Amino acid sequence: SQTIHQWPATLVQPVGSPLSLECTVEGTSNPNLYWYRQAAGRGLQLLFYSVGIGQISSEVPQNLSASRPQDRQFILSSKKLLLSDSGFYLCAWSSRVHEQYFGPGTRLTVT
Amino acid sequence: AQSVTQPDIHITVSEGASLELRCNYSYGATPYLFWYVQSPGQGLQLLLKYFSGDTLVQGIKGFEAEFKRSQSSFNLRKPSVHWSDAAEYFCAVGARLEGSQGNLIFGKGTKLSVKP
Repeated sequence: SQTIHQWPATLVQPVGSPLSLECTVEGTSNPNLYWYRQAAGRGLQLLFYSVGIGQISSEVPQNLSASRPQDRQFILSSKKLLLSDSGFYLCAWSSRVHEQYFGPGTRLTVT
Repeated sequence: AQSVTQPDIHITVSEGASLELRCNYSYGATPYLFWYVQSPGQGLQLLLKYFSGDTLVQGIKGFEAEFKRSQSSFNLRKPSVHWSDAAEYFCAVGARLEGSQGNLIFGKGTKLSVKP
């Protein structure tokens, strides 16, 4: 069966510091991969999606970036965090059939 | 533009009572439809999905949803709520387009509280 992992689970970082969040999927090949941010009361905001290695599409201009160095690995990064980057970050995967499966999330607090 | 509306931000029901969470969508054609549930501090779990066929779909945890094309709605129901159902519920739609990236549009969620 397929599983999706995210780490770290929680992270507290100062403003201006770099960020790297990792997501890996097991038990499937060539998945679509997604990064979402969830802020209180604002639902889910799609940040990036990827349909293959090295293929990244950005939905929202911001100081975040994403990379997909391997088929089942998706990384969210920032060179300098802002206070507004605080939130709950969710990674998800899907086959071509549209239903998405979510990881456990990373709680990021920028201080 | 495509959109999903969940008109109720917060609903409180008594344990054992029935539940209906509303979802309306704006889309050019019949999309794929989903309901997800999220417990505090957790990821989203897929409850059920509608692709085609029978407009009443059954999901996990005793939930069901009915697709009504004429009302552009996909409401979630449960006949008897349990305390463990307290969570946030998200409705989502996806495009039936050839070559679609599989992106989903989510509603802002409905938080369900359950009174003992």
